[in-house]
Amino acid sequence: AQKITQTQPGMFVQEKEAVTLDCTYDTSDPSYGLFWYKQPSSGEMIFLIYQGSYDQQNATEGRYSLNFQKARKSANLVISASQLGDSAMYFCAMREGRGSGYSTLTFGKGTMLLVSP
Amino acid sequence: KAGVTQTPRYLIKTRGQQVTLSCSPISGHRSVSWYQQTPGQGLQFLFEYFSETQRNKGNFPGRFSGRQFSNSRSEMNVSTLELGDSALYLCASSSGLAGENEQFFGPGTRLTVL
Repeated sequence: AQKITQTQPGMFVQEKEAVTLDCTYDTSDPSYGLFWYKQPSSGEMIFLIYQGSYDQQNATEGRYSLNFQKARKSANLVISASQLGDSAMYFCAMREGRGSGYSTLTFGKGTMLLVSP
Repeated sequence: KAGVTQTPRYLIKTRGQQVTLSCSPISGHRSVSWYQQTPGQGLQFLFEYFSETQRNKGNFPGRFSGRQFSNSRSEMNVSTLELGDSALYLCASSSGLAGENEQFFGPGTRLTVL
């Protein structure tokens, strides 16, 4: 079974609109972390936001927020006021076993976001 | 603070050759993880090194190996290259400590095997 599922291969949004990118995850570990990364065409993975499984509040970083619904095992990324520079591939990733210190990430297949003027 | 650096950025090799890629993590970070990204398989974990020891390993053949030096710089080596090894190889840097909530990636090395 896939540990990270991103069901939207591609999303289109107009500049200045908000967009939600979906991510569901599967783990039996009570301690885990969820990450979102942006990958522009240059290839570099840019860290956007992190949510820990024990965090009580949804994470926010500027225009990015993470809609964390633990019972549904979903961690959707919300980008407010989209900009042309937001056009990129977006990956959801999970790290299990926070206590181990392991840094291994499991990635979803990604969602390609295109922002139009 | 300097980011994660990877060298070389681009590499072209032929089947059967071997290749060595290098990753320098963020200063103070002791963990380096390597990932392979291909259009077909997506991002797949290769291995993680922490304080010069391999701490975790993905499901890749023994042709893929790595090491980490005392300054935390890491190298990965692929021997007997195959066409399917063509990929973007990314390394990620973190403190490697429990509760870490940040992992930063380098720009990647794009390997083409002809």
